[in-house]
Amino acid sequence: GQNIDQPTEMTATEGAIVQINCTYQTSGFNGLFWYQQHAGEAPTFLSYNVLDGLEEKGRFSSFLSRSKGYSYLLLKELQMKDSASYLCAVMDSNYQLIWGAGTKLIIKP
Amino acid sequence: DTEVTQTPKHLVMGMTNKKSLKCEQHMGHRAMYWYKQKAKKPPELMFVYSYEKLSINESVPSRFSPECPNSSLLNLHLHALQPEDSALYLCASSQEAGTGFHEQFFGPGTRLTVL
Repeated sequence: GQNIDQPTEMTATEGAIVQINCTYQTSGFNGLFWYQQHAGEAPTFLSYNVLDGLEEKGRFSSFLSRSKGYSYLLLKELQMKDSASYLCAVMDSNYQLIWGAGTKLIIKP
Repeated sequence: DTEVTQTPKHLVMGMTNKKSLKCEQHMGHRAMYWYKQKAKKPPELMFVYSYEKLSINESVPSRFSPECPNSSLLNLHLHALQPEDSALYLCASSQEAGTGFHEQFFGPGTRLTVL
C-alpha cells in the first residue's frame, strides 16, 4: 500500500528553527511536494523535490533522500504567521498526489 | 493572474436540494481537480479533468457530478447529499496532469454543510 508519515503536531518558539520530517512508501515516485495550510484556508505550495538534496527558498528549505524515502521541511527564523499545518505529498507513478495527514505547527512567543 | 476562484464560499443545503459548486482559473492550466477535505485530514482527490476530459474518478458516489464546460471552468453538481458529505471542497489546477512536476494551485474552497 501507499503510506506517508509525518508527525501530527510540533511546537516551536518564535525566532527558532524547526524541522518537519516526512517518510513515504509509494508505488513509484515523481516528486515530493510540501504545502502549507492555515486553518480554514486552501493549501499553498511551498516546495518541490524530485532529486536528492536540499532546495532552499528564503526561510524555507526542503530536503529529499529517495533511497531512504525521506524528506524534511526546515523553517528558519520562525514567525507567528508560520503557525499552520504542513502537508507532505508524493506524486506516484500515476502522477497522482498521495497526501500525508499533515503536521500542525504551533509557534509560541 | 495566479488565482483559482471558487463560489460560493459557504453553502448550507438540505439532503433533497440540488446545488452546484463553481471553480474558475485563468492561468491557461489544462488540468483541474476536485478535492474533499474533512477537518484535520489531508485533501482527498475526487476528480481530475485533463484537457476538459474526465481522466480520474476516485470512486466518488454519483450524487457528486463534475462538469468541465471549458478549459477555465469546473463545476461540481450536488444532489441528494448526506450529512457526512459536509466538508471543505477544494478546486485546484495545474499546467498539465500526468506529465511530471506541475504545482497544483488551490482555490479558497467551499465550506459545505449538509443538514
